[in-house]
Amino acid sequence: GAVVSQHPSRVICKSGTSVKIECRSLDFQATTMFWYRQFPKKSLMLMATSNEGSKATYEQGVEKDKFLINHASLTLSTLTVTSAHPEDSSFYICSAQRDPTGNEQFFGPGTRLTVL
Amino acid sequence: AQKVTQAQTEISVVEKEDVTLDCVYETRDTTYYLFWYKQPPSGELVFLIRRNSFDEQNEISGRYSWNFQKSTSSFNFTITASQVVDSAVYFCALINNDYKLSFGAGTTVTVRA
Repeated sequence: GAVVSQHPSRVICKSGTSVKIECRSLDFQATTMFWYRQFPKKSLMLMATSNEGSKATYEQGVEKDKFLINHASLTLSTLTVTSAHPEDSSFYICSAQRDPTGNEQFFGPGTRLTVL
Repeated sequence: AQKVTQAQTEISVVEKEDVTLDCVYETRDTTYYLFWYKQPPSGELVFLIRRNSFDEQNEISGRYSWNFQKSTSSFNFTITASQVVDSAVYFCALINNDYKLSFGAGTTVTVRA
């Protein structure tokens, strides 16, 4: 159990377009999901915390209007990179929190975004 | 604020050697959880272990072992008799009362045949 999927796994887009990444918990309900960004050879940096039915909480320095997060159901959170630019190219990973105590997160396989 | 430090950026060993990855953490909370993850070249994070702050027992799982020492705020990870398949980036992470995971910078392990 505790499987998290992400779609797409890889996406290439042109500069100026928007890209939507989906994160789904397949066999459990997740009231909270998290979005991370990872640059090459770097660590994972938390971008935002996504709570079902409410607005996401963004970490300092993350542009809310650039990275739109929607958590419409207990099994789906989406990250939309709006008006993407080459500097947005990165590896985006989501995780889902299964239990209310929040001490365990289950990670998706990641989405590699390349903006040309 | 919490912080996880992995001082070793890269470690290269020959197959069958043991390798120990260091992890030092900082947190003001008395209740917290520590994790180790493996990230192979495919990118997907592989969960290895979770340890809560009240459980200082060391753990062994196959060729993997972990040494948790609260007195030094360390949670070190040892791979015994390393294999080429162990080549990956390993992350130590901490979660406390705000439910946010903080990752260390990661240690790249290269095991040569």
